Amino acid sequence: GQNIDQPTEMTATEGAIVQINCTYQTSGFNGLFWYQQHAGEAPTFLSYNVLDGLEEKGRFSSFLSRSKGYSYLLLKELQMKDSASYLCAVMDSNYQLIWGAGTKLIIKP
Amino acid sequence: GAVVSQHPSWVICKSGTSVKIECRSLDFQATTMFWYRQFPKQSLMLMATSNEGSKATYEQGVEKDKFLINHASLTLSTLTVTSAHPEDSSFYICSASPVTSSYNEQFFGPGTRLTVL
Repeated sequence: GQNIDQPTEMTATEGAIVQINCTYQTSGFNGLFWYQQHAGEAPTFLSYNVLDGLEEKGRFSSFLSRSKGYSYLLLKELQMKDSASYLCAVMDSNYQLIWGAGTKLIIKP
Repeated sequence: GAVVSQHPSWVICKSGTSVKIECRSLDFQATTMFWYRQFPKQSLMLMATSNEGSKATYEQGVEKDKFLINHASLTLSTLTVTSAHPEDSSFYICSASPVTSSYNEQFFGPGTRLTVL
């Protein structure tokens, strides 16, 4: 079956760095997405990785290792507004997104 | 760019009535639109994939006669929840993939919160 695993919840301190991991097992691979979702709102696109390596975009970076079926989202200089759920999603061979359950990130002052 | 709107944002209806939710891509054309449902503290659950001008593809366990999807144009898809019941109360979110997208990313609408009394 297809499976996306990510931690249910993480806590970090304002100004610090946090890494949210995602492992996946899917039928085929056409890229991995990270989305941010604030409570009661729809997800917003953060990043896309299809090749191995690190993609940096401001305070957020996303890493992919296809051989390990592994990705992480790195958030630097955490701000209170970063408190949200972070969803990992993999596009399979049918170009369908397989969603993880999301990681709720709690930022403390 | 890549803005998706949904209407209404929230709706309360009586059990047994039908509710229509609209999803529009405002500044791009979308060959494919997706409908998701999300229960509190749970992840997104894909309900169906709709392609312009053809029948929607429903996920296993989703009743196509209950959740009617119409994708009449490249910028509009509608989801009608027929004979709604309290268990249909949920957050319904649509997304759209631009025709010109290089990697099929999905842009999400703001969601519609449905409460069935």
